[in-house]
Amino acid sequence: DAGVTQSPTHLIKTRGQQVTLRCSPISGHKSVSWYQQVLGQGPQFIFQYYEKEERGRGNFPDRFSARQFPNYSSELNVNALLLGDSALYLCASSFGGGSAKSNQPQHFGDGTRLSIL
Amino acid sequence: DQQVKQNSPSLSVQEGRISILNCDYTNSMFDYFLWYKKYPAEGPTFLISISSIKDKNEDGRFTVFLNKSAKHLSLHIVPSQPGDSAVYFCAASDGTDSWGKLQFGAGTQVVVTP
Repeated sequence: DAGVTQSPTHLIKTRGQQVTLRCSPISGHKSVSWYQQVLGQGPQFIFQYYEKEERGRGNFPDRFSARQFPNYSSELNVNALLLGDSALYLCASSFGGGSAKSNQPQHFGDGTRLSIL
Repeated sequence: DQQVKQNSPSLSVQEGRISILNCDYTNSMFDYFLWYKKYPAEGPTFLISISSIKDKNEDGRFTVFLNKSAKHLSLHIVPSQPGDSAVYFCAASDGTDSWGKLQFGAGTQVVVTP
């Protein structure tokens, strides 16, 4: 079975531009989460969606937005890109919410490497 | 604020010996803990998890221990193999959050030497 797939794998943008990253979850998984990982740090939570509803939002500015589609795939949009947005953007999926109650861990894709010039 | 901390940025261990990775947390509401392994140019791969109602969980060469009173967990890898060379992340989710948002430590780079 296919794992979590993300596209594109690499992207180069300039300051002020906008970017859309895409994620397809594991088949049967209804929850998608987005994380940002900068060099030398662990992933930081950006958004979580379940059944097309936003279920959680991390401490990121309004320039970051996301949505989930009826087929459970998801997009992350970032507007007015800054140099500090350069990072690896990871998508994770899980069957349920990924909490202890479900005991279903989140599974990650290989990420999109975004570079801002 | 960093609620999950991995204080050892790197660990070198000989092949065949035990690797012990440590993780400390500050949020007493964390009730689900996970370890992920990450190779360069790949996403994190789930290794093992533990719920706060347990103090030990084992899966093959991997064992996770949880000490709730000390707010500390550790991952033991026995025996260590060259393929275990990777960055290991500790993650936790808050039991008051039904949706399992994960908070990660900064990671520990493990190098297994022949």
